[in-house]
Amino acid sequence: KAGVTQTPRYLIKTRGQQVTLSCSPISGHRSVSWYQQTPGQGLQFLFEYFSETQRNKGNFPGRFSGRQFSNSRSEMNVSTLELGDSALYLCASRLLNTGELFFGEGSRLTVL
Amino acid sequence: QQQVKQSPQSLIVQKGGIPIINCAYENTAFDYFPWYQQFPGKGPALLIAIRPDVSEKKEGRFTISFNKSAKQFSLHIMDSQPGDSATYFCAASRETSGSRLTFGEGTQLTVNP
Repeated sequence: KAGVTQTPRYLIKTRGQQVTLSCSPISGHRSVSWYQQTPGQGLQFLFEYFSETQRNKGNFPGRFSGRQFSNSRSEMNVSTLELGDSALYLCASRLLNTGELFFGEGSRLTVL
Repeated sequence: QQQVKQSPQSLIVQKGGIPIINCAYENTAFDYFPWYQQFPGKGPALLIAIRPDVSEKKEGRFTISFNKSAKQFSLHIMDSQPGDSATYFCAASRETSGSRLTFGEGTQLTVNP
């Protein structure tokens, strides 16, 4: 069974630009969540989607948004990039009624 | 109230040693406590998890000890191996919070041969 797939794996942007990251969950997993990982703040929850609806949202500004498609694939978007947005963005999927999150390898974003 | 505090930040042990990583939480509504292991360049992977109705859970060489009254839990790695060298994260969540985990700061474990 294929794991969680994230694309792109690495990208470099400049301040003010926007970025879209993509995530394909494990087949059969309908819940997709996103996390930001930085050395200073650690792993922080961004949001969770299920059945194309945002189910939960972390404490991030409105520049961070996401969506989920009918095939459970998800995208997250960050607009008006800031230097502090440089991070590893992790996507995770899970089966409902289980606690285990399956993480992808992440998309490493560098903002110059 | 949402914080999970983890210690130590880094830990070095010899092969065969028993590293212990500790976590403390504040929110008594948390009812699910997983530990994740992360290797460089990879996403975190679930190692073991516990719910507050038990005080200990063992899976292979990994054991979680849970103290509900103290709001603390810890990970013990028996007979540690160099391949266990990784970053370990404790986390906590509420069943009603879905995939929203509150993570500790992480512990970088090095097991020397």
